[in-house]
Amino acid sequence: GESVGLHLPTLSVQEGDNSIINCAYSNSASDYFIWYKQESGKGPQFIIDIRSNMDKRQGQRVTVLLNKTVKHLSLQIAATQPGDSAVYFCAESYFGNEKLTFGTGTRLTIIP
Amino acid sequence: DGGITQSPKYLFRKEGQNVTLSCEQNLNHDAMYWYRQDPGQGLRLIYYSQIVNDFQKGDIAEGYSVSREKKESFPLTVTSAQKNPTAFYLCASTLDGMNTEAFFGQGTRLTVV
Repeated sequence: GESVGLHLPTLSVQEGDNSIINCAYSNSASDYFIWYKQESGKGPQFIIDIRSNMDKRQGQRVTVLLNKTVKHLSLQIAATQPGDSAVYFCAESYFGNEKLTFGTGTRLTIIP
Repeated sequence: DGGITQSPKYLFRKEGQNVTLSCEQNLNHDAMYWYRQDPGQGLRLIYYSQIVNDFQKGDIAEGYSVSREKKESFPLTVTSAQKNPTAFYLCASTLDGMNTEAFFGQGTRLTVV
């Protein structure tokens, strides 16, 4: 069935270090992927997205990598800051399917 | 400022009562969505609407109802038939479907007492 899963439920990173959050998906038809950040008690905020015709996309301090061969997605956050502490979700959809499927989420904690 | 507004932020309901959660957007987006989030879990889709006066069931629609009479508004009613309604409810909108960035509201936390 269709599912999006995360390898690690929690991740602790020293402030200033880089962090990598991983996500696996099972639907080979998925062609659009998004990373969201959710702070406690708030709605998810868009971080970055990538379409299946790309392998890598960069934003401000963030990079998303897509490996379609193994159906794997990762979010890299460079030089982490205390404000990066949050739960990060990956989500996927495909053309013609008007639904985003979300993973469980990874809680990222930045250690001062 | 453009965005999505959910109200109220916190809602308490007695068992057996229906309750309606509000979601309004001024982004001129065609599509709107309702998700439910339980602690430590991802978001699950309840209902979605791609155009006015039309909506579809998501993965967990039982015990919920929606309406889309105006483009800007997509209220969600949690009925007494929903067996476990205590959760965090999130409304989202996209310009024209889910293959683009979804904007989320700040959520409504519903507690059944």
